[in-house]
Amino acid sequence: GESVGLHLPTLSVQEGDNSIINCAYSNSASDYFIWYKQESGKGPQFIIDIRSNMDKRQGQRVTVLLNKTVKHLSLQIAATQPGDSAVYFCADRAGGSYIPTFGRGTSLIVHP
Amino acid sequence: EAQVTQNPRYLITVTGKKLTVTCSQNMNHEYMSWYRQDPGLGLRQIYYSMNVEVTDKGDVPEGYKVSRKEKRNFPLILESPSPNQTSLYFCASTPAGAPTGYTFGSGTRLTVV
Repeated sequence: GESVGLHLPTLSVQEGDNSIINCAYSNSASDYFIWYKQESGKGPQFIIDIRSNMDKRQGQRVTVLLNKTVKHLSLQIAATQPGDSAVYFCADRAGGSYIPTFGRGTSLIVHP
Repeated sequence: EAQVTQNPRYLITVTGKKLTVTCSQNMNHEYMSWYRQDPGLGLRQIYYSMNVEVTDKGDVPEGYKVSRKEKRNFPLILESPSPNQTSLYFCASTPAGAPTGYTFGSGTRLTVV
């Protein structure tokens, strides 16, 4: 079946390093992609999104890259801080659908 | 403040005792959805609603009911809870039209003993 998955369940980095979280998707009809951050005890929070007509989008300290050729999505966090420690989910939606498919999440641990 | 509000945040109940988890959004969103989150399984959709009086099953609807009588509210009903419904539940909403991310509630941690 169609799925969105993450390559690494846990990523540990040192404070100040850049973090890269990867995601693979399989639905070729997906045209909208979202990254969420979930801190312990809280609901997922929207971080950044990208549409399929783009290959890069930047926010504050975050960049999302989309490679449609290999169906790969990544989230880059610059100068990672302890407050970035959380689980990060990617999600995709096919055109016309309001139903996203969520990946299982990558736990980012930032060591001071 | 634009938000999705779930209640209660924590609930411990006994097998078979009907319960309702409420969800309300103040953003006039058409689309609302319920998810459960379990370790190793990620977010799984239970039910969703495209608009008032329009609901449909997600991936794991067994044992749950929903209703959408008003646009802002989307309660999740467990008629006869069982221990395998012990989980963390999230309500989420998004507007119709151009795609945008979901806004999630803070979650309801349910324990069924």
